[in-house]
Amino acid sequence: EPEVTQTPSHQVTQMGQEVILRCVPISNHLYFYWYRQILGQKVEFLVSFYNNEISEKSEIFDDQFSVERPDGSNFTLKIRSTKLEDSAMYFCASSEWGTSDSGYTFGSGTRLTVV
Amino acid sequence: AQSVAQPEDQVNVAEGNPLTVKCTYSVSGNPYLFWYVQYPNRGLQFLLKYITGDNLVKGSYGFEAEFNKSQTSFHLKKPSALVSDSALYFCAAQDNYGQNFVFGPGTRLSVLP
Repeated sequence: EPEVTQTPSHQVTQMGQEVILRCVPISNHLYFYWYRQILGQKVEFLVSFYNNEISEKSEIFDDQFSVERPDGSNFTLKIRSTKLEDSAMYFCASSEWGTSDSGYTFGSGTRLTVV
Repeated sequence: AQSVAQPEDQVNVAEGNPLTVKCTYSVSGNPYLFWYVQYPNRGLQFLLKYITGDNLVKGSYGFEAEFNKSQTSFHLKKPSALVSDSALYFCAAQDNYGQNFVFGPGTRLSVLP
């Protein structure tokens, strides 16, 4: 069964450093997403991406965040200057269509710890 | 604004007993509704969905959910719980205009042997 792959599984970084979280969506999917889950809290939408541009973003997704699809397979989330409150599990997801009949396929997540 | 509520933070049930994890939603139009499960140190896994048609939807691992439009609910159910069902369960909703998912806060299910 096709999977969404995320690397690394765990990233520890110092406050103020830049981090890049990587995702390989399912190959025939056209829509890509990032979500995050702060420990003990609900899953929150960050951003959606289609046709090489952001289609929607939440209030959380401020100027410190950016997304990119640098090649035909990867989809990255960059945090320019990490803050302690960026510590969370970050999930990448992809779907074939924007209103996916089967729901999104999520990766296993990257746990980001900012110290 | 769209929202999804899961009124119980924690549900405890004995193995072999039926389980219910509750979800209510507030979505414009006709919603698409989903349940996801998150096992420890794992990503979100799709369980089942309601798009249209029969109100009772069957999904993975013996789970089912019932869409009730009048009560705006989509409760997750299983006739006989297993210890291995212990996990965090998320209800999610999406309107049929293609807007992004809204997740509920999650309900932790503990199935006791």
